[in-house]
Amino acid sequence: DGGITQSPKYLFRKEGQNVTLSCEQNLNHDAMYWYRQDPGQGLRLIYYSQIVNDFQKGDIAEGYSVSREKKESFPLTVTSAQKNPTAFYLCASSRTSGIEYEQYFGPGTRLTVT
Amino acid sequence: GEDVEQSLFLSVREGDSSVINCTYTDSSSTYLYWYKQEPGAGLQLLTYIFSNMDMKQDQRLTVLLNKKDKHLSLRIADTQTGDSAIYFCAEKSLTGGGNKLTFGTGTQLKVEL
Repeated sequence: DGGITQSPKYLFRKEGQNVTLSCEQNLNHDAMYWYRQDPGQGLRLIYYSQIVNDFQKGDIAEGYSVSREKKESFPLTVTSAQKNPTAFYLCASSRTSGIEYEQYFGPGTRLTVT
Repeated sequence: GEDVEQSLFLSVREGDSSVINCTYTDSSSTYLYWYKQEPGAGLQLLTYIFSNMDMKQDQRLTVLLNKKDKHLSLRIADTQTGDSAIYFCAEKSLTGGGNKLTFGTGTQLKVEL
């Protein structure tokens, strides 16, 4: 079965700690994305990557970091510099060529920082 | 820049039709999408429409696109309780870098018995 997995589903951390969220896909997609979702605000793009070893900042990149060492994996680190990290985080992937650009989403990770 | 707007809530009775509306600002939009999000889950692609089309039908779903007014709508016929979810419209435009999509704020659909 092809798809996107995110782990863990729920994550709890103390303020001041860095935390890394996992995202893996076996759809052979070149592009991967991280979004943050807060109630009533829709999805906001944190980082995206269109090819291995390359990534770009989205609209709200401050306090986050990513890496793209493998095509299948795009982990997101929420650093202690992120002022309000509690949120629902969604990972997605898509093709970068052809006519279909729709993004496929993982199940999400809910991060709670206290 | 791109901006996509949706109303926040919609309530309908089971069996009625639901119409969820979306407006966007980028006239270079190429594809427009509708996603569904159930509680605590990721987004599921429902349907999409290319910007040179004005209608697309897929079973109970009908998408209408008015490119002149930059207005997109999703009609769900015979709405069921299982349709209760948040619905997001999204656009892919030529002005955005790469394959980024711009999402609306989402419309929470509540289906009442």
